[in-house]
Amino acid sequence: EVQVVESGGGLVQPGGSLRLSCAASGFNFTNYGMNWVRQAPRRGLEWVSGISGSVGSSTSYADSVKGRFTISRDNSENTLYLQMNSLRAEDTAVYYCAKSRGYYSTVNAFDMWGQGTMVTVSS
Amino acid sequence: QSALTQPASVSGSPGQSITISCTGTSSDVGGYNFVSWYQQHPGKAPKLMIYDVSNRPSGVSNRFSGSKSGNTASLTISGLQAGDEADYFCSSYTSSITAVFGGGTKLTVL
Repeated sequence: EVQVVESGGGLVQPGGSLRLSCAASGFNFTNYGMNWVRQAPRRGLEWVSGISGSVGSSTSYADSVKGRFTISRDNSENTLYLQMNSLRAEDTAVYYCAKSRGYYSTVNAFDMWGQGTMVTVSS
Repeated sequence: QSALTQPASVSGSPGQSITISCTGTSSDVGGYNFVSWYQQHPGKAPKLMIYDVSNRPSGVSNRFSGSKSGNTASLTISGLQAGDEADYFCSSYTSSITAVFGGGTKLTVL
C-alpha cells in the first residue's frame, strides 16, 4: 500500500525548533519529489517546501519559511524531513507530507498525502 | 507568492453541475499547464482530483473535469452528489519554482 506517515509534531515555544519526519512506503521513494504543505486551523492549504527526487535533490521554499525551515530526505530510510527553526505563532498548523506525481516537487501535482502532524507554537 | 483566488463558497442541488474558478497570474496559472485540484472533507487529508489542468487520476469519477483559459482555471463537477460536499483547493506551479494554493471553496450540496 502506498502511504506516507508524518510524525514529530507537538507544542513548542516561540523561537524554538522542531523536526518533522515523513516515512514513505509502497513506492520507489527515490524517484519522486516530496513536499510539505501546512494548514492553519480553519484555514486553507499553504505549500511550505519541496525537494526533487534523489539526483541533485533541488529544494524550494515558500517566502514565509525561507531561511528558517530546511527540507531534506534520506533515500536509504525512505524518509522526508522538515527542520523548523525560529518558530513563530503563525507557523501553528497541521503539517502534511505530500508525494509528487513525478520527479520534480512543485511542477507535479501532489497525489499522496499523509494524515498530518499538528505543530503548535505557543508560550 | 500571493494565493490564487477562489470563491469562498458555491452550492448546488443533487444532479446539477457547478463550476469553481481559480484565478492567478501569468506567473502561475496562466504561464503553465500545471494546475491541480484537491478535495478535502472535514478532518481528512486532501485528495488529488485533477492534475495538469484537465487530467483525472485513476479512480476519480469522470464527473470531475478541469479546464483553463488565460489566468483562470476551472473545476466542474457534474451530477452533484451528497458526497461531493467538501472544500476544494486549486494549486499551480509558479515561475519561482514553488507551488501556490487557492484560498479554498466550500461546496454545499443543497
